[in-house]
Amino acid sequence: AQSVAQPEDQVNVAEGNPLTVKCTYSVSGNPYLFWYVQYPNRGLQFLLKYITGDNLVKGSYGFEAEFNKSQTSFHLKKPSALVSDSALYFCAVRDGAGGYNKLIFGAGTRLAVHP
Amino acid sequence: EPEVTQTPSHQVTQMGQEVILRCVPISNHLYFYWYRQILGQKVEFLVSFYNNEISEKSEIFDDQFSVERPDGSNFTLKIRSTKLEDSAMYFCASRETGRGPDTQYFGPGTRLTVL
Repeated sequence: AQSVAQPEDQVNVAEGNPLTVKCTYSVSGNPYLFWYVQYPNRGLQFLLKYITGDNLVKGSYGFEAEFNKSQTSFHLKKPSALVSDSALYFCAVRDGAGGYNKLIFGAGTRLAVHP
Repeated sequence: EPEVTQTPSHQVTQMGQEVILRCVPISNHLYFYWYRQILGQKVEFLVSFYNNEISEKSEIFDDQFSVERPDGSNFTLKIRSTKLEDSAMYFCASRETGRGPDTQYFGPGTRLTVL
């Protein structure tokens, strides 16, 4: 079965510092990986996805993610964190086994960026 | 930019009552989903819907749940007899095509509170 793991419940970063939110995956076949962000009392907003090709994927709001096949990881990164980046971040993998591509989510990582 | 919308934003109901959660997917999208997020837990898949029928459902989606696309624009989730454990945030999502890596876009969610 497809799964993703987010090993950190919370990540604390000072504003202006680089941030990394970790995700590892377990899939059969080619992985299709996604990052979503959830701000308080809001829905899930799509940030970026990996399908194939370049291992470094660029997304919204200056975020990028690095796909590493040998480490089965898809870590989310940003060179310089903003206080407004504080939110809950979810990694997800497409489960195409049923043919209709539901998403399997990780438990989420809360990012706190301090001024 | 087109968005998925959901109504109501918050629904409070008594145990045993029926509730209908409404979603308007993005207009040219063909695949529709419901997910839920119990407070403090991960986002879980409930059901996917394509071509006016359920294409896949999780074990959570028992006989108390049903989905419908009554008029070509709305997509509804009905819970026939709510239980306390149905209290959660319910997210609707839609996707444009059947090709694997297409992105699912989520609505802002409906917070269901069962008393």
